[in-house]
Parts: sequence; structure tokens; C-alpha cells
Amino acid sequence: EVQLQESGPGLVKPSQSLSLTCSVTGYSITSNYWGWIRKFPGNKMEWMGYISYSGSTSYNPSLKSRISITRDTSKNQFFLQLNSVTTEDTATYYCASGHYFDYWGQGVMVTVSS
Amino acid sequence: DIQMTQSPASLSASLGETVTIECRASEDIYNGLAWYQQKPGKSPQLLIYNANSLHTGVPSRFSGSGSGTQYSLKINSLQSEDVASYFCQQYYNYPTFGGGTKLELK
Repeated sequence: EVQLQESGPGLVKPSQSLSLTCSVTGYSITSNYWGWIRKFPGNKMEWMGYISYSGSTSYNPSLKSRISITRDTSKNQFFLQLNSVTTEDTATYYCASGHYFDYWGQGVMVTVSS
Repeated sequence: DIQMTQSPASLSASLGETVTIECRASEDIYNGLAWYQQKPGKSPQLLIYNANSLHTGVPSRFSGSGSGTQYSLKINSLQSEDVASYFCQQYYNYPTFGGGTKLELK
């Protein structure tokens, strides 16, 4: 069974970087696509980007200057870094697999506040 | 980017009723559409992909249809466990989501 689990700090200060880890079990991240999605208060959903089985990345153009998705295949983990955060980045962050997202993590709520 | 307009934003229905939720894309997405169910405090669950393919383990009372820019999710014979939020997502281009529909029992 494929399982994804996000981890990372729940509170980040404005202007700092948000860093999250997605640990995957039951499937190798050297297959398929692995992405980050966030859900804002008010329920708007936004795809942030993904890293492919080969390590190539694709990002939402609205975030392209601030986002980086990387991976560690030895640990079967992939990572999100979002730089220069503001309060507008407060959201629940999910990792998920595929282009349509067939498996999701449980989500981690991140608040940006001083 | 491709805009997804979902309607209605909220819906109240009775047990056993048939419910339809719609999504309109701002351009042709060539059936690159998925539907999800999300219950409070839980992560979204894939219901339908490729506009009309039922994801593994999803009850057959859920179905998807549509083409071009217009798509719909139908729930036949509404059950109490179907109370949730539903949203669409296109993946023809970089993924974008509809605004969601909150389904409640009447």
C-alpha cells in the first residue's frame, strides 16, 4: 500500500523559508510523479509543483521564483522549500502522487506568523 | 493557466437522491479531469480520473462524464457517508482546481 507522510514545522516566520519533507512507503519515488499541493483557509486548492521519476521538476508559474522541490532516493523522500514566505502562505500542505493525485499524505498545517 | 469553475458551491440533498456537480474549464482539457472527495480533517480522496474512470475501491454510485470544457460528477442514491466536500481538478495543463462543492444532507 502506498503511503505518504508530510513532516515539518507548523510555524514559520515571515520572510523565512518553509521546508517540508514527504516520506513515501510502498512505492519508489523513482517511478511516477510526486507533488505538493496546498489548501488555503477558505478552501482554495493550489498545485505547487512536482518532481518526476527522473528528478526533473515542474512548478506553478506563480511560485516559480520561490519554490524548489528536491528528493533523496536513498530515503524515498522528497522535499519542498518555499522561500520568502508571507502570511499568504498559511495553508495546509499536502504531498501527493501522480498527475491526478491518487495517493495523498495526511497534510500538515503551516502558519506563517511572527 | 486553465480556470476551473465549479458549481454549485454548496448543495443540500436527501438520502437516496441523485446529486450532480459540474465543472467548466476555461478551455478544452481533453478529458484530463479528476474528481475528489474530502471530509473534514482528512486528506482528499480520488474518485474519478480521465473524466469518467472510477478509481479503485470507489463505489459505483459515483460516476463522471463530460468532454471538452464541461464535466460533471454524479452521485446516485446518496448515502450519509457521502456528506463531504467535492472538487474537480484538471491536469491537461499544469494542475488547477475547482472551488469545491460542500454537500450536506437535507
